[in-house]
Order: sequence, then C-alpha cells, then structure tokens
Amino acid sequence: EIVLTQSPGTLSLSPGERATLSCRASQSVSSSYLAWFQQKPGQAPRLLIYGASSRATDIPDRFSGSGSGTDFTLTISRLEPEDFAVYYCQQYGSSPPYTFGQGTKLEIK
Amino acid sequence: QVQLQQSGPGLVKPSQTLSLTCAISGYSVSANSAGWYWIRQSPSRGLEWLGRTYYRSTWHYDYALSMKGRMTINPDTSKNQFSLHLNSVTPEDTAVYYCARGWGSGWYLGTWGQGTLVAVSS
Repeated sequence: EIVLTQSPGTLSLSPGERATLSCRASQSVSSSYLAWFQQKPGQAPRLLIYGASSRATDIPDRFSGSGSGTDFTLTISRLEPEDFAVYYCQQYGSSPPYTFGQGTKLEIK
Repeated sequence: QVQLQQSGPGLVKPSQTLSLTCAISGYSVSANSAGWYWIRQSPSRGLEWLGRTYYRSTWHYDYALSMKGRMTINPDTSKNQFSLHLNSVTPEDTAVYYCARGWGSGWYLGTWGQGTLVAVSS
C-alpha cells in the first residue's frame, strides 16, 4: 500500500499570497496518477488536479500541480478568500488501494 | 452532466448491516469507461478508500483489505445505481460515506455524491 504524507499539516497565509502544498509517496506513483482535492466543511471533496498536473473542469488557473515519482506539489498562485479549505492528495490508477493523504489545512492568517 | 445521489439510513445498530445506495444520472453504471467507488471519512481515519466495481464484459470488484469479508458492492443496471453493504458494523464504522465515479486516464474521482453521515450506535 502506498502511503501519502502531506506537509505541512496546517498552512497559515493571507489572501493574495502563494501557497505551496506537498505530497510525498512511500513509493513511486505510476504514470503520475496523483490527484488533488479541495474540501470545505460539510461538502464532498472537489477534484482540482489529476494526472499530477492537469486541471479539472472549471478549476481556476491559479491552481497548478507538479511533480512525479514520489514528490508532488500543489501550488495556488494568489490565494482568494474561497481557497481556504482542506486539501488532500490521492494516488489512483495502478493497483488498489487508492490511498489518500491526511490533508493540509489552509487557514487565513 | 453526471450526478450521484446517495440514500440510506443515518443510524445503524452495532452488529447490523450498513446499506447505502448511490443513484447515477447522466451515465450508465455498466459503461466500460468508468468505475464506481465508495470512500468514507472519519476524524480518526481521514479519507479511506473502501472499494469499487466496474464492468468489463463482466463485473469486477476490488475491496480494501480492511473491508474484505465484510463489504460488498452491488451494481443494479435496472435502476442505474450501485450500493454498499457493510455487515457486522461497530462504532469504528461511524463515518461520512461517499460514492464517486472514476473516469478518464487512470480513473480519477471527478464526481462525488453528497455524502451520508452514518452513525453506528445502539
């Protein structure tokens, strides 16, 4: 089973700043099948990025993903008030189980 | 537009069976190009992938090791839905349960149900 470790656990930033979130895998993620999700209280996770770097439909271009192998990054170039939420990475596409990271909480400073 | 609508009880007694249904609109449960997933979320376990079903000439099933023997996923082509059955539940199974569709290269989870909070309590 691939273990995904996200850092930091909590990130405190101000609107307009740049956010960099990390997701490290315990073994290589095949074909860069790595996704990022945003979750707000009381809502289901929302897909932001798939294939490590492809934006999902209707996701603003301030969200970008990068990385391969075992190290992946989600970057939010300029934070908007609605971006403060919890972010999760997930690996998928090879053999199950398709594990999730423990999440990074992005909070307003 | 694909939509998933979950239904099922919010309270289950210990040792009984938890059953949830995910009704699909805008896509066929038996399409070859998608998989149908169950995920749950709790404060203690975070987001946990539980299992999936998909159709490739026949139905296939994958379950998390922690769920094997207790969990089944049943597709229902007549109603275009799929269900989760988890037996012998304990309070540890208390969580928000989500269904989701896997689609695209590798089958990323682009569409989710609204979630169902299920409490296991007597």
